[in-house]
Amino acid sequence: DTGVSQNPRHKITKRGQNVTFRCDPISEHNRLYWYRQTLGQGPEFLTYFQNEAQLEKSRLLSDRFSAERPKGSFSTLEIQRTEQGDSAMYLCASSLRPRREGALGELFFGEGSRLTVL
Amino acid sequence: EDQVTQSPEALRLQEGESSSLNCSYTVSGLRGLFWYRQDPGKGPEFLFTLYSAGEEKEKERLKATLTKKESFLHITAPKPEDSATYLCAVQPRGGSNYKLTFGKGTLLTVNP
Repeated sequence: DTGVSQNPRHKITKRGQNVTFRCDPISEHNRLYWYRQTLGQGPEFLTYFQNEAQLEKSRLLSDRFSAERPKGSFSTLEIQRTEQGDSAMYLCASSLRPRREGALGELFFGEGSRLTVL
Repeated sequence: EDQVTQSPEALRLQEGESSSLNCSYTVSGLRGLFWYRQDPGKGPEFLFTLYSAGEEKEKERLKATLTKKESFLHITAPKPEDSATYLCAVQPRGGSNYKLTFGKGTLLTVNP
């Protein structure tokens, strides 16, 4: 399968624990995004990487959240000291640089990692 | 602040009954408007990008149109496999070049 891969698909943890999600983008894609989606809502932007550089972070990304993309390949999203409000689907997407200048182009999303904080 | 409002929240159709979904947006200039389809428990799947008012794009039974304030997703003769949540998102001109702002989506159910 050559799509975006996310692991684990489901994670149940207790409040206060740390969790880490991994995203493997489509191999030739240099752009990588993390979004968060709660039930009945659309995805909300968290952060963006171009190759290994984290170029943008949302205000939603508190200091308990950290994302990395070492060597510009896979990415990890870590949440420290989880809270019940962190329960959500964490979506990763990747894309190529679009042909149209300044446009985002097509994002390819993974199936997401669902986090439940008890 | 950029806003995207989708209506209706849910729509139930009979197979073959055509209809339209609405996405109204408020942005300080539009760089692109996107439609995605999302099946339960899955990530969104790209459908269309529209860049300027008057633009239209089609794919099978779906047709997306764009005006200066809203976009419509027209579904012609839908089939049960078209059942999904349809998400609209905008990329505003100015500000972030990398962020999409999504609406809450329209949950479409097509009954056989």
